[in-house]
Amino acid sequence: GIQVEQSPPDLILQEGANSTLRCNFSDSVNNLQWFHQNPWGQLINLFYIPSGTKQNGRLSATTVATERYSLLYISSSQTTDSGVYFCAVGKGGGTSYGKLTFGQGTILTVHP
Amino acid sequence: DARVTQTPRHKVTEMGQEVTMRCQPILGHNTVFWYRQTMMQGLELLAYFRNRAPLDDSGMPKDRFSAEMPDATLATLKIQPSEPRDSAVYFCASGLGGGTQYFGPGTRLTVL
Repeated sequence: GIQVEQSPPDLILQEGANSTLRCNFSDSVNNLQWFHQNPWGQLINLFYIPSGTKQNGRLSATTVATERYSLLYISSSQTTDSGVYFCAVGKGGGTSYGKLTFGQGTILTVHP
Repeated sequence: DARVTQTPRHKVTEMGQEVTMRCQPILGHNTVFWYRQTMMQGLELLAYFRNRAPLDDSGMPKDRFSAEMPDATLATLKIQPSEPRDSAVYFCASGLGGGTQYFGPGTRLTVL
Protein backbone atom coordinates (compact mmCIF):
# COMPACT_ATOMS: atom_id res chain seq x y z
CA GLY A 1 0.00 0.00 0.00
CA ILE A 2 0.86 3.67 -0.17
CA GLN A 3 3.25 4.99 2.47
CA VAL A 4 2.54 8.44 3.87
CA GLU A 5 5.21 10.30 5.81
CA GLN A 6 4.55 13.58 7.58
CA SER A 7 7.11 15.99 8.95
CA PRO A 8 7.93 17.33 11.40
CA PRO A 9 6.32 14.95 13.93
CA ASP A 10 6.10 17.75 16.49
CA LEU A 11 6.10 21.51 16.19
CA ILE A 12 5.98 24.16 18.89
CA LEU A 13 5.26 27.79 17.97
CA GLN A 14 4.61 31.13 19.55
CA GLU A 15 1.36 32.76 18.61
CA GLY A 16 1.79 34.79 15.43
CA ALA A 17 4.46 32.58 13.90
CA ASN A 18 4.17 30.90 10.51
CA SER A 19 4.74 27.21 9.82
CA THR A 20 4.95 24.66 7.02
CA LEU A 21 3.92 21.03 7.38
CA ARG A 22 4.99 18.47 4.83
CA CYS A 23 3.44 15.24 3.54
CA ASN A 24 5.39 12.84 1.34
CA PHE A 25 3.74 9.84 -0.30
CA SER A 26 5.19 6.82 -2.03
CA ASP A 27 2.95 6.47 -5.10
CA SER A 28 0.84 8.49 -7.48
CA VAL A 29 -2.47 9.55 -5.96
CA ASN A 30 -5.77 10.95 -7.16
CA ASN A 31 -7.00 11.96 -3.73
CA LEU A 32 -5.27 13.99 -1.02
CA GLN A 33 -6.90 15.58 2.00
CA TRP A 34 -5.62 17.52 5.00
CA PHE A 35 -7.37 17.24 8.37
CA HIS A 36 -7.04 18.95 11.73
CA GLN A 37 -7.81 17.00 14.88
CA ASN A 38 -8.52 19.43 17.69
CA PRO A 39 -7.68 18.73 21.36
CA TRP A 40 -11.23 17.38 21.85
CA GLY A 41 -10.66 14.74 19.18
CA GLN A 42 -12.83 16.13 16.41
CA LEU A 43 -11.43 15.67 12.89
CA ILE A 44 -12.07 18.61 10.60
CA ASN A 45 -11.41 18.52 6.89
CA LEU A 46 -9.20 21.44 5.86
CA PHE A 47 -8.56 20.80 2.18
CA TYR A 48 -9.33 18.37 -0.59
CA ILE A 49 -6.28 18.96 -2.78
CA PRO A 50 -5.04 16.17 -5.09
CA SER A 51 -3.10 18.80 -7.04
CA GLY A 52 -2.56 22.54 -7.21
CA THR A 53 -2.92 25.23 -4.56
CA LYS A 54 -5.82 26.29 -2.37
CA GLN A 55 -6.23 28.91 0.32
CA ASN A 56 -8.71 29.27 3.13
CA GLY A 57 -8.08 32.23 5.41
CA ARG A 58 -4.74 31.82 7.19
CA LEU A 59 -4.32 28.29 5.83
CA SER A 60 -3.15 27.28 2.40
CA ALA A 61 -2.05 24.03 0.82
CA THR A 62 -0.07 23.02 -2.23
CA THR A 63 0.20 19.55 -3.74
CA VAL A 64 2.85 18.72 -6.32
CA ALA A 65 1.53 15.37 -7.44
CA THR A 66 4.36 14.66 -9.88
CA GLU A 67 6.88 14.96 -7.05
CA ARG A 68 4.66 13.17 -4.52
CA TYR A 69 4.40 15.75 -1.79
CA SER A 70 2.00 18.24 -0.31
CA LEU A 71 2.58 21.25 1.96
CA LEU A 72 0.24 22.86 4.45
CA TYR A 73 1.02 26.47 5.39
CA ILE A 74 -0.29 28.09 8.54
CA SER A 75 0.26 31.82 8.82
CA SER A 76 -0.08 34.00 11.92
CA SER A 77 -0.75 30.95 14.07
CA GLN A 78 -3.26 31.12 16.91
CA THR A 79 -3.66 28.94 20.00
CA THR A 80 -6.77 27.46 18.42
CA ASP A 81 -4.57 26.00 15.66
CA SER A 82 -3.12 23.55 18.19
CA GLY A 83 -3.83 19.88 17.59
CA VAL A 84 -2.77 17.18 15.18
CA TYR A 85 -2.63 17.71 11.42
CA PHE A 86 -3.14 14.67 9.24
CA CYS A 87 -2.46 14.15 5.57
CA ALA A 88 -4.43 11.35 3.90
CA VAL A 89 -4.00 10.03 0.37
CA GLY A 90 -5.76 7.65 -1.97
CA LYS A 91 -5.34 6.22 -5.43
CA GLY A 92 -7.16 4.09 -7.91
CA GLY A 93 -10.70 3.82 -9.10
CA GLY A 94 -13.49 1.33 -8.86
CA THR A 95 -13.87 -0.09 -5.39
CA SER A 96 -10.74 1.74 -4.18
CA TYR A 97 -12.00 5.19 -5.16
CA GLY A 98 -12.34 7.30 -2.03
CA LYS A 99 -10.27 4.98 0.16
CA LEU A 100 -7.70 6.99 2.18
CA THR A 101 -4.43 6.10 3.91
CA PHE A 102 -3.51 8.43 6.75
CA GLY A 103 -0.08 9.63 7.81
CA GLN A 104 0.96 9.60 11.45
CA GLY A 105 0.31 13.30 11.84
CA THR A 106 2.14 16.44 12.96
CA ILE A 107 1.42 17.56 16.52
CA LEU A 108 1.26 21.36 16.61
CA THR A 109 1.33 23.32 19.84
CA VAL A 110 0.86 27.09 19.71
CA HIS A 111 1.73 29.00 22.88
CA PRO A 112 0.21 32.40 23.67
CA ASP B 1 -25.39 22.71 9.47
CA ALA B 2 -25.15 19.13 8.19
CA ARG B 3 -23.05 16.84 10.36
CA VAL B 4 -22.23 13.19 10.77
CA THR B 5 -23.61 11.91 14.05
CA GLN B 6 -22.42 8.92 16.05
CA THR B 7 -23.83 7.11 19.05
CA PRO B 8 -22.87 6.37 21.72
CA ARG B 9 -20.10 8.90 22.30
CA HIS B 10 -18.57 6.79 25.05
CA LYS B 11 -18.92 3.09 25.82
CA VAL B 12 -17.37 1.06 28.60
CA THR B 13 -17.98 -2.66 28.48
CA GLU B 14 -16.54 -5.91 29.69
CA MET B 15 -14.62 -8.38 27.61
CA GLY B 16 -16.90 -10.77 25.77
CA GLN B 17 -19.84 -8.37 25.48
CA GLU B 18 -21.37 -7.25 22.19
CA VAL B 19 -20.83 -3.62 21.20
CA THR B 20 -22.87 -1.79 18.57
CA MET B 21 -21.88 1.64 17.28
CA ARG B 22 -24.17 3.70 15.06
CA CYS B 23 -23.57 6.42 12.53
CA GLN B 24 -25.91 8.73 10.66
CA PRO B 25 -24.14 10.08 7.57
CA ILE B 26 -24.83 13.50 6.10
CA LEU B 27 -28.02 13.39 4.06
CA GLY B 28 -27.25 12.84 0.39
CA HIS B 29 -23.77 11.43 0.90
CA ASN B 30 -23.28 8.09 -0.85
CA THR B 31 -20.04 6.86 0.77
CA VAL B 32 -19.62 5.91 4.42
CA PHE B 33 -16.35 4.99 6.10
CA TRP B 34 -15.50 3.39 9.45
CA TYR B 35 -12.08 4.19 10.95
CA ARG B 36 -10.36 3.19 14.16
CA GLN B 37 -7.82 5.42 15.92
CA THR B 38 -5.29 4.17 18.46
CA MET B 39 -2.03 5.64 19.70
CA MET B 40 -0.04 2.74 18.30
CA GLN B 41 -1.66 2.34 14.87
CA GLY B 42 -2.99 5.80 14.19
CA LEU B 43 -6.05 6.10 11.94
CA GLU B 44 -6.94 2.87 10.14
CA LEU B 45 -9.74 2.26 7.67
CA LEU B 46 -11.90 -0.65 8.79
CA ALA B 47 -14.64 -0.71 6.15
CA TYR B 48 -16.49 1.45 3.68
CA PHE B 49 -19.71 1.52 1.73
CA ARG B 50 -20.88 3.14 -1.46
CA ASN B 51 -24.61 3.44 -2.09
CA ARG B 52 -25.06 1.15 0.93
CA ALA B 53 -23.03 -1.68 -0.67
CA PRO B 54 -19.89 -2.81 1.20
CA LEU B 55 -16.85 -2.15 -1.00
CA ASP B 56 -13.92 -3.01 1.24
CA ASP B 57 -13.75 -4.43 4.73
CA SER B 58 -10.22 -5.77 4.51
CA GLY B 59 -9.17 -3.66 7.49
CA MET B 60 -11.61 -5.39 9.81
CA PRO B 61 -10.97 -8.50 11.92
CA LYS B 62 -13.60 -10.65 10.22
CA ASP B 63 -14.17 -13.07 13.06
CA ARG B 64 -15.52 -10.49 15.46
CA PHE B 65 -16.33 -7.30 13.55
CA SER B 66 -19.21 -6.66 11.18
CA ALA B 67 -20.38 -3.53 9.41
CA GLU B 68 -23.74 -2.92 7.75
CA MET B 69 -25.89 -0.18 6.26
CA PRO B 70 -29.50 -1.18 6.81
CA ASP B 71 -30.60 2.02 5.10
CA ALA B 72 -29.13 5.22 3.70
CA THR B 73 -29.41 7.03 7.02
CA LEU B 74 -27.79 4.42 9.26
CA ALA B 75 -24.47 2.58 9.36
CA THR B 76 -23.58 0.17 12.13
CA LEU B 77 -20.36 -1.37 13.36
CA LYS B 78 -20.61 -4.37 15.68
CA ILE B 79 -18.00 -6.15 17.71
CA GLN B 80 -18.88 -9.57 19.11
CA PRO B 81 -17.24 -10.65 21.33
CA SER B 82 -15.30 -7.56 22.35
CA GLU B 83 -11.71 -7.78 23.62
CA PRO B 84 -9.51 -5.29 25.50
CA ARG B 85 -7.41 -4.74 22.35
CA ASP B 86 -10.53 -3.29 20.68
CA SER B 87 -10.32 -0.26 22.97
CA ALA B 88 -9.99 2.75 20.65
CA VAL B 89 -11.88 5.67 19.20
CA TYR B 90 -14.09 4.62 16.29
CA PHE B 91 -14.92 7.27 13.71
CA CYS B 92 -17.51 7.29 11.00
CA ALA B 93 -17.09 9.57 7.99
CA SER B 94 -19.25 10.27 4.97
CA GLY B 95 -18.72 11.87 1.57
CA LEU B 96 -19.71 12.01 -2.06
CA GLY B 97 -17.75 9.52 -4.13
CA GLY B 98 -14.04 10.09 -3.68
CA GLY B 99 -14.32 13.65 -2.48
CA THR B 100 -14.06 15.40 0.86
CA GLN B 101 -14.69 13.17 3.87
CA TYR B 102 -16.60 14.56 6.84
CA PHE B 103 -15.98 12.91 10.18
CA GLY B 104 -18.33 12.31 13.05
CA PRO B 105 -17.32 13.00 16.67
CA GLY B 106 -16.29 9.39 17.29
CA THR B 107 -17.20 6.69 19.80
CA ARG B 108 -14.62 6.15 22.52
CA LEU B 109 -14.73 2.44 23.38
CA THR B 110 -13.12 0.95 26.46
CA VAL B 111 -13.20 -2.83 26.89
CA LEU B 112 -12.25 -3.98 30.38
